[in-house]
Amino acid sequence: EIVLTQSPGSLSLSPGETATLSCRASQSVGSSSLGSSSLAWYKQKPGQAPRLLIYGAAIRATGIPDRFSGSGSGTDFTLTISRLEPEDFAVYYCQQYGGSPEVTFGQGTRLDIK
Amino acid sequence: EVQLVESGGGLVQPGGSLRLSCAASGFTLSSYWMHWVRQAPGKGLVWVSRISNDGNSMTYADSVKGRFTFSRDSAKNTLYLQMNGLRAEDTAVYYCARAHISGSVDYWGQGTLVTVSS
Repeated sequence: EIVLTQSPGSLSLSPGETATLSCRASQSVGSSSLGSSSLAWYKQKPGQAPRLLIYGAAIRATGIPDRFSGSGSGTDFTLTISRLEPEDFAVYYCQQYGGSPEVTFGQGTRLDIK
Repeated sequence: EVQLVESGGGLVQPGGSLRLSCAASGFTLSSYWMHWVRQAPGKGLVWVSRISNDGNSMTYADSVKGRFTFSRDSAKNTLYLQMNGLRAEDTAVYYCARAHISGSVDYWGQGTLVTVSS
């Protein structure tokens, strides 16, 4: 089973700053049929369903601003959020969708306003 | 517009059963793989089950295997999660979600809360 470990567990930053979130896999995350790493990032605000931000490790989903960027391959992945805005403060999850079991999520990183 | 609307959650005693529904609109289930994902109160996201676009292949997390059954009604464009032998640790908000072509999840329902307690 691929286990995803996110760090830090929580992060306190001010609007305008840059957030760097990490996701490390216990084994290499495979590639999807699109040829990119099977790693996605989601944002979840309290009381809401998650929202897809990044898939294929680095591809922004529809409607996601370019302040959000993903990078990495193999076992180490990063989500970077530049110029933090008030609506960015939420919990962020990474997800792998190429291994066994089919889908696993990291435990989440909470991004709080400082 | 793509919409997923879950229903069927509620309070059930340990050992009991519940059937969740997920009504899909704005797309056809037969074109997409679909998932159930759950989230215990104050906890993270946990994958539960997946059904293939043709409805012939289902996979389950070890924690629910043998107790939960994922099915769909193509005519009604609706998904179902039959949950038997419920345990306290099954208490969670259950989301149905659509798989993106990449394999990630691009649309989520609003979730339905299942509480297992005596």
